[in-house]
Amino acid sequence: SQKIEQNSEALNIQEGKTATLTCNYTNYSPAYLQWYRQDPGRGPVFLLLIRENEKEKRKERLKVTFDTTLKQSLFHITASQPADSATYLCALDMGGLGAGKSTFGDGTTLTVKP
Amino acid sequence: KAGVTQTPRYLIKTRGQQVTLSCSPISGHRSVSWYQQTPGQGLQFLFEYFSETQRNKGNFPGRFSGRQFSNSRSEMNVSTLELGDSALYLCASTLTGPWGDSPLHFGNGTRLTVT
Repeated sequence: SQKIEQNSEALNIQEGKTATLTCNYTNYSPAYLQWYRQDPGRGPVFLLLIRENEKEKRKERLKVTFDTTLKQSLFHITASQPADSATYLCALDMGGLGAGKSTFGDGTTLTVKP
Repeated sequence: KAGVTQTPRYLIKTRGQQVTLSCSPISGHRSVSWYQQTPGQGLQFLFEYFSETQRNKGNFPGRFSGRQFSNSRSEMNVSTLELGDSALYLCASTLTGPWGDSPLHFGNGTRLTVT
């Protein structure tokens, strides 16, 4: 069956360190993979999108990699800050006419300690 | 530009009742998707509308339905509410349609509690 797994439910790191979050999937061939941030009581906010033919994407302190052979995406936050504390969700989309049925992982809650 | 607006923000209903939730997408966005979020199941896709037509549907019972109006505003309806329907219902819009390469812009959701 299709499955998306995000490493651990919770990740605690010290301010200034790099946070690395993992998204593994099975029985999917996604055309796109997206990462979102969600704060308590709010809707998810889009961060980065990477296509199946792209290996890496960067945006300011954020970097995402996509390995379709390993069926894995890594999401990095460098020089982390307490304000980065939130739940991070990965989402897969098959694209084409099947798009719109984005499938989300359960999320990883990141806590950055000062 | 205003974001996605969902109303009401909170709702308390009794088992057996029905409920209607509303979503106003970002101006110019024609695709609206609905998701249910619960602690146990995470974010689950309900359905997606584009130009007033339902294009995709998730694995939810027929008690869950939706529609989209000509101004792209959308509503979802849940009939015969069950305790398990208690959740955060999120609406998301995209510019050209969720072909996967358009990010989802979420509202802050409607928190539904069924007692």
